Amino acid sequence: GAGVSQSPSNKVTEKGKDVELRCDPISGHTALYWYRQSLGQGLEFLIYFQGNSAPDKSGLPSDRFSAERTGGSVSTLTIQRTQQEDSAVYLCASSREDTQYFGPGTRLTVL
Amino acid sequence: GESVGLHLPTLSVQEGDNSIINCAYSNSASDYFIWYKQESGKGPQFIIDIRSNMDKRQGQRVTVLLNKTVKHLSLQIAATQPGDSAVYFCATRPGNTGKLIFGQGTTLQVKP
Repeated sequence: GAGVSQSPSNKVTEKGKDVELRCDPISGHTALYWYRQSLGQGLEFLIYFQGNSAPDKSGLPSDRFSAERTGGSVSTLTIQRTQQEDSAVYLCASSREDTQYFGPGTRLTVL
Repeated sequence: GESVGLHLPTLSVQEGDNSIINCAYSNSASDYFIWYKQESGKGPQFIIDIRSNMDKRQGQRVTVLLNKTVKHLSLQIAATQPGDSAVYFCATRPGNTGKLIFGQGTTLQVKP
């Protein structure tokens, strides 16, 4: 069946620009997660949506980062005024119960 | 703060041998543990998971062992194959949230 999909797969932007990253979770999964992976590192939690509950935003590194989940399905991660240190792979996952299934990620490069 | 660490950044094994990747965690309230495999340019792929009320779980060629006393988790891969070459991550879930805390990853290299 269809897995988690993310778009774009690659994004190159200039410092100071805003970017939007999209995640389509697996159909029927109620929870959606965003993580960030810097080169050669483990994954860093950013934000988590569970059903209609308020999202857990405890991992967002600054107020330049925000995320929405519309209609309990698709999610968009927005980074405003991008900085070079935002360069990383942004990974989305979804789950119905415990197991989180990941998408292929969006590689963001800030020049 | 919470941390998850792997004992070895790189593990090199001969094809056909068994592999053991170890992981230590700090939060005794963690209730769920999971192993992922990540190949270059791809997202993490689920391998196996275990809840805190268990100490062993087996899958196809893989076994996860959990020792809550010493906060240690291991992944055993039987008869390692070249296709097993990848970075392996362990992750834990604090008991009061859905987020996962990841270790830094162990690169498994399989020699033919």
